[in-house]
Order: sequence, then C-alpha cells, then structure tokens
Amino acid sequence: GQQLNQSPQSMFIQEGEDVSMNCTSSSIFNTWLWYKQDPGEGPVLLIALYKAGELTSNGRLTAQFGITRKDSFLNISASIPSDVGIYFCAGPVYPNTNAGKSTFGDGTTLTVKP
Amino acid sequence: KAGVTQTPRYLIKTRGQQVTLSCSPISGHRSVSWYQQTPGQGLQFLFEYFSETQRNKGNFPGRFSGRQFSNSRSEMNVSTLELGDSALYLCASTLQGMGETQYFGPGTRLLVL
Repeated sequence: GQQLNQSPQSMFIQEGEDVSMNCTSSSIFNTWLWYKQDPGEGPVLLIALYKAGELTSNGRLTAQFGITRKDSFLNISASIPSDVGIYFCAGPVYPNTNAGKSTFGDGTTLTVKP
Repeated sequence: KAGVTQTPRYLIKTRGQQVTLSCSPISGHRSVSWYQQTPGQGLQFLFEYFSETQRNKGNFPGRFSGRQFSNSRSEMNVSTLELGDSALYLCASTLQGMGETQYFGPGTRLLVL
C-alpha cells in the first residue's frame, strides 16, 4: 500500500529555534495535510496543501507541496513550549479510490526545552 | 460550526466484553471514517461510512464493525475485546469522503484489562 516516510522521527530543540520536518512518498499525492496531535487528543489540522508547488503559512508555520507531488515539508519558526507534540503528514493518494481514507506518516515528536 | 465530537472520551473494559463508541461529524459532513491509533502501529484505518453505507474497510477482523445513521452520526462496535484492542479510537469527517481534508474528533481512549 501507499506509505509516507516522515523524518525526523523525533526532535529535541531549544525554545526559539526553527524546526523543519518532511514527508516523502513513492506515490503521488494531490493533497498534503499537516496535523499536530497533543497527548490523548485527536490530530488537529495545521495546514492543507492542494496544489503542487504551493507554499502556505499559518502563523509561525510554513508548509510546501513538492512539485513532484511526492513530498512536502513543514517549518516552524521561533519555537515555543506549546509547539510540543507529534506532527503528522497525511493525505489521500492520487487518484483517490479509497473513500474516506488518509494515509499517515509515523509522526515527528517535537520536544521544546525552555 | 461545532467540530467532530466523540463519546465517551475514556472507557475501561475487560477482555471478552463488547464496546460501542459514538461519533458526531461536523454539521453537513456526510462521510465518517474511523481510525485506531496505538504507539506501535500509528494511525490505522478501520472503515468509512457515507449515507449509511460502508464504502471502505481496512484490515481489521470482523470483531470491528460500524454503522451510520441518517443524520450522519456513526457508531463503531468492538465485540469480544482483546488486550490488544487498547488504543485511541479516532473519528474523522469530511463532506463527501473523496479526497477532502479530514477533521478529527478528540478520540475515545479504550483500555482493555
């Protein structure tokens, strides 16, 4: 099946530092999604990308949809303690024949030291 | 708009029992998907419902089942619980379930003893 390779698996950074994580796939995606999950909660959508090459920002977060449609990255600038959590990339595979199913990366666990 | 809601938030059961979890999608969303999340396996797709019909199913045993009502609310049921069923069960909704962005509920944490 389709798989998403997300890296790094974990990051330990100092407050104020910038963070970068990425996702790659052997399959084409027509949508890339980035979610953040806090412990015991459901994933919360951060950024959705719908077009190859698209660069989208949401506050201190910036994500890009790779032009090959097989990769995406998420950057967090000037990290703060509340950025702690697990970040997932996800998306339905193009062409989408799997109703209601998104494929998820394994997540990047971010720890921010004050 | 209210988000996706799930009840209950926490549940403790013993092996052999059965459990029913509930999910109310975002108003107007007709597709509801269920996922199981465990530390070792990540987010695993269980099934998806649209207009009261199951359209898609993941690789889970028949003990896992679901249904959807005419108001798009969905329930999932796990019968004959096993220890390995302990997980966070997440529900997600979209308008049509055909490639749109999924929005997740807070999940139900199930512990099987």
